[in-house]
Amino acid sequence: EVQLVESGGGLVQPGRSLKLSCAASGFTFSNYGMAWVCQAPTKGLEWVASISTGGGNTYYRDSVKGRFTISRDNAKNTLYLQMDSLRSEDTATYYCARRDYSGDEYFDYWGQGVMVTVSS
Amino acid sequence: DIQMTQSPASLSASLGETVTIECLASEDIYSNLAWYQQKPGKSPQLLIYYANSLNDGVPSRFSGSGSGTQYSLKINSLQSEDVSIYFCQQNYDSPWTFGGGTKLELK
Repeated sequence: EVQLVESGGGLVQPGRSLKLSCAASGFTFSNYGMAWVCQAPTKGLEWVASISTGGGNTYYRDSVKGRFTISRDNAKNTLYLQMDSLRSEDTATYYCARRDYSGDEYFDYWGQGVMVTVSS
Repeated sequence: DIQMTQSPASLSASLGETVTIECLASEDIYSNLAWYQQKPGKSPQLLIYYANSLNDGVPSRFSGSGSGTQYSLKINSLQSEDVSIYFCQQNYDSPWTFGGGTKLELK
């Protein structure tokens, strides 16, 4: 059974950092591209960042470029999102999501989500 | 960025009814369109990809259609477990964008 379990969320002050993790199991992690998608409270979904199978290619939405870093450790079956210079508008539930096997950017499995609140 | 506009924003229907949700892209996305279902308090689940391909395990009462800029999700014979928010997403061009969602409730 495919499982994606996020951790690392919490309350953080504006300008500070947070690192999210996503532990993957039930599939060959190194064969799949991965992504982070967020959802602000009572709002819709917003793609944040994606990473290729080997980690050599990364992609970000403009609003997080230069502040967030997506990475992965295939030996540990874990995806990460390093979030620096956090802003109040980054407050959201962050989902780890598996990209389709073909590499296309739709997401066939999602984690349960982890809440990030940016507030003083 | 490609804008995805869903309609209606909310919908109330009776058990057994057929419902249709629309998604309009701001430009041609060449059928690179996915639909997700998000039940209350849960994470999204993939229903449809490439506009009309049913994901594994998804009941056959769900179907997707469309091309160009106009797409739709149809649910035949509505069941109580279909109460959810439904989102469309284009995966044609980055940044990958989602519609605002359609909240489906039982009448």
